[in-house]
Amino acid sequence: EPEVTQTPSHQVTQMGQEVILRCVPISNHLYFYWYRQILGQKVEFLVSFYNNEISEKSEIFDDQFSVERPDGSNFTLKIRSTKLEDSAMYFCASTSVPGAEAFFGQGTRLTVV
Amino acid sequence: AQSVSQHNHHVILSEAASLELGCNYSYGGTVNLFWYVQYPGQHLQLLLKYFSGDPLVKGIKGFEAEFIKSKFSFNLRKPSVQWSDTAEYFCAAPMFSGGYNKLIFGAGTRLAVHP
Repeated sequence: EPEVTQTPSHQVTQMGQEVILRCVPISNHLYFYWYRQILGQKVEFLVSFYNNEISEKSEIFDDQFSVERPDGSNFTLKIRSTKLEDSAMYFCASTSVPGAEAFFGQGTRLTVV
Repeated sequence: AQSVSQHNHHVILSEAASLELGCNYSYGGTVNLFWYVQYPGQHLQLLLKYFSGDPLVKGIKGFEAEFIKSKFSFNLRKPSVQWSDTAEYFCAAPMFSGGYNKLIFGAGTRLAVHP
């Protein structure tokens, strides 16, 4: 079964450092997403990406965040200067068409210390 | 605003007990609904989905859910749970905006099944 893969599975970083979370969506999918889940809270939408540009972003996705599809397979989330409150599980997802089933990666647990 | 709510945050059951997890949504129009499961240490996986048609949908691992439009509900059920069903369960719905969509999730229900 096709799957979304994310690396790394765990990342510990110091406050103020930049982190890049990587995702390889399913190859024939066109719509890509990042979500995050702070421990004990619900899964929250961060950003959606289609046709090499952001289609929607939440209020969480401020100027510290950016996304990129640097090549035909990877989809990255960059946090420029991490804060303690960025500690969360970050999930990448992709869909073939809007509204269809989203396939999720296994997540990257980011810990900012 | 569009929202999805789950009222049971933690559920503890013994094996063979029946399960029902509540999910309510608050928007009109076209309704697509999903239940995802997250087993410990694993990614979110789709259990089942409702797009249209028969309001009783069957998913993997013996799970089913019933879409009741009048109650804005999409409760997840399983007649007899197993220890391996221990996981967190999320109800979700796509929020359509400008031709794209994002998933709105409920808060999740953590299910623990004891042998």
